[in-house]
Amino acid sequence: AQSVTQLDSQVPVFEEAPVELRCNYSSSVSVYLFWYVQYPNQGLQLLLKYLSGSTLVKGINGFEAEFNKSQTSFHLRKPSVHISDTAEYFCAVRYNFNKFYFGSGTKLNVKP
Amino acid sequence: DTGVSQNPRHKITKRGQNVTFRCDPISEHNRLYWYRQTLGQGPEFLTYFQNEAQLEKSRLLSDRFSAERPKGSFSTLEIQRTEQGDSAMYLCASRRGTSGRATSSYNEQFFGPGTRLTVL
Repeated sequence: AQSVTQLDSQVPVFEEAPVELRCNYSSSVSVYLFWYVQYPNQGLQLLLKYLSGSTLVKGINGFEAEFNKSQTSFHLRKPSVHISDTAEYFCAVRYNFNKFYFGSGTKLNVKP
Repeated sequence: DTGVSQNPRHKITKRGQNVTFRCDPISEHNRLYWYRQTLGQGPEFLTYFQNEAQLEKSRLLSDRFSAERPKGSFSTLEIQRTEQGDSAMYLCASRRGTSGRATSSYNEQFFGPGTRLTVL
């Protein structure tokens, strides 16, 4: 079965520090990869996506992610976080034609 | 507002009652998804429509759950004889579909704000 693993359920970090949120997926011939952010009581908002081409993908709010096929990873990074980045982040993978699989989420808590 | 909308935003019901949720996708999107999200988990796929056709259903979708998209526009998700375990956030998402070359927007799902169901 296809799966997406987010190893860290919570990540505390101080404001202006760098952060990395990890995501691994089960291997497949080809995948499309996504990171979403969810603020309390809101739906999911797309941060960035990898479809093809350059393995380093830049998204909104200063986030970026790198697709690593050999390690089946798609880790999300930001060089300097802000209080407003406090939210839950979900990694998602699209394997087949239509179906999307989501990880269990990582709560990013940015402290002043 | 041209995003995905869901109604109601919150629903509290007693066990055994039936509930129905509505999702209005972005108008030009022909693909529509329903997900369930419980506390501490990511969204779990429930079902998927392409236009009015329901093309895939998850094993999570028991016979108490039914979804429709009668005219290929809005969709409804009904839960019959609700149980406490049905308490969750129900998310709807829509996506542009194309028979031509896949583009960036073809792959992107847009999510609604969700309907939070509480079964007492």
